[in-house]
Amino acid sequence: GENVEQHPSTLSVQEGDSAVIKCTYSDSASNYFPWYKQELGKRPQLIIDIRSNVGEKKDQRIAVTLNKTAKHFSLHITETQPEDSAVYFCAAVGGKLIFGQGTELSVKP
Amino acid sequence: DGGITQSPKYLFRKEGQNVTLSCEQNLNHDAMYWYRQDPGQGLRLIYYSQIVNDFQKGDIAEGYSVSREKKESFPLTVTSAQKNPTAFYLCASKWERDTEAFFGQGTRLTVV
Repeated sequence: GENVEQHPSTLSVQEGDSAVIKCTYSDSASNYFPWYKQELGKRPQLIIDIRSNVGEKKDQRIAVTLNKTAKHFSLHITETQPEDSAVYFCAAVGGKLIFGQGTELSVKP
Repeated sequence: DGGITQSPKYLFRKEGQNVTLSCEQNLNHDAMYWYRQDPGQGLRLIYYSQIVNDFQKGDIAEGYSVSREKKESFPLTVTSAQKNPTAFYLCASKWERDTEAFFGQGTRLTVV
């Protein structure tokens, strides 16, 4: 069935460094790829998304890239700050909304 | 106040009992989803519904049941057949196609 693989499961960076999270998906029909941030005890919230007709999208310190041929998409966070510490989920939408396993990002001051 | 609401926030259940988690949205969204989240785990899909009176199993549907009699409501029943029901349950809704999904605040279920 449809599957989304996300790596790494944990990521620790120094404040000001960049962080990269990578995902792969299996369903060729997927055409929408959102990224969610979940702080401890809270609901996931959308931080950025990309559609299949776009290769890259940027919003301030956050960017997402998509390679449809390889079925890869990635989240890039530049100039990380302690408040970026959270769990990040990628997702792929074809018929279902399928999430990756999550990446726990820790930004050390 | 528009949004998606789950209730209750905390729920305790005795072993062998069925329990129903509520999920209501007033966003006029077509699709609704139920996920289970265990500590340090991702969001695993239990059931989803794309239109009223229709729903499909997700990856971990065993021991759960749902209904979609109204567009606004998608309740989840955790039955006694679910062997390890203690978890955080999240409901989400969205329009179909390539649009953002919105999450409820979650229900933390504990079996005692």
